[in-house]
Amino acid sequence: EVQVVESGGGLVQPGGSLRLSCAASGFTFSSYWMSWVRQAPGKGLEWVANIKRDGSVKYYVDSVKGRFTISRDNARNSLFLQMNSLRAEDTAVYHCARGWELLWPFDIWGQGTVVTVSS
Amino acid sequence: DIVMTQSPDSLAVSLGERATINCKSSQSVLYSSNNNNYLAWYQQKPGQPPKLLIYWASTRESGVPDRFSGSGSGTDFTLTISSLQAEDVAVYYCQQYYSTPLSFGGGTKVEIK
Repeated sequence: EVQVVESGGGLVQPGGSLRLSCAASGFTFSSYWMSWVRQAPGKGLEWVANIKRDGSVKYYVDSVKGRFTISRDNARNSLFLQMNSLRAEDTAVYHCARGWELLWPFDIWGQGTVVTVSS
Repeated sequence: DIVMTQSPDSLAVSLGERATINCKSSQSVLYSSNNNNYLAWYQQKPGQPPKLLIYWASTRESGVPDRFSGSGSGTDFTLTISSLQAEDVAVYYCQQYYSTPLSFGGGTKVEIK
């Protein structure tokens, strides 16, 4: 079965850090661009970042530039999101999503992992 | 950055009736070199991740019922559910993948009248 499963969410204080992981299975992970998309409580979807197949190219939404870093380990079929200097407005469910190319729809989504930034 | 605007925010439709959701982009998402509109539609049910329904504005994803259809070009797009079923109750999002930052519409909640 083709799937992605996120982990690593939790409660963190403002200014703190968290590292999210996404484990992929059932497909050739290294053949796909991968993204993180978040959804704040009761709100819509916001694309956060994506990364090229070999990890050489990365893009971020302006609100997380300089604070978040996307990375991947193709040998472990894993995607990561290192989140530093967290703010209350980063509170959301973070989904891992698959796209064939940079400019491509997301055809596989994970259930998401919850990040809560609060003191 | 491309801003995606959906309307209405919510709608209530009787079972078996048509539901129509609109999506407008702040600039064209039609790529002239291949004549493709870089526009997708997703369905999200409570407690679930989004599910891809339509891409390239009008191509149905495998396994999606044919009561779902997408239309439009350039900056104006429509998702139509031709005969609403109970299992279609969800929030629907449009998304442009024409350029980064990739962006979504605010969502349209579809309910049964």
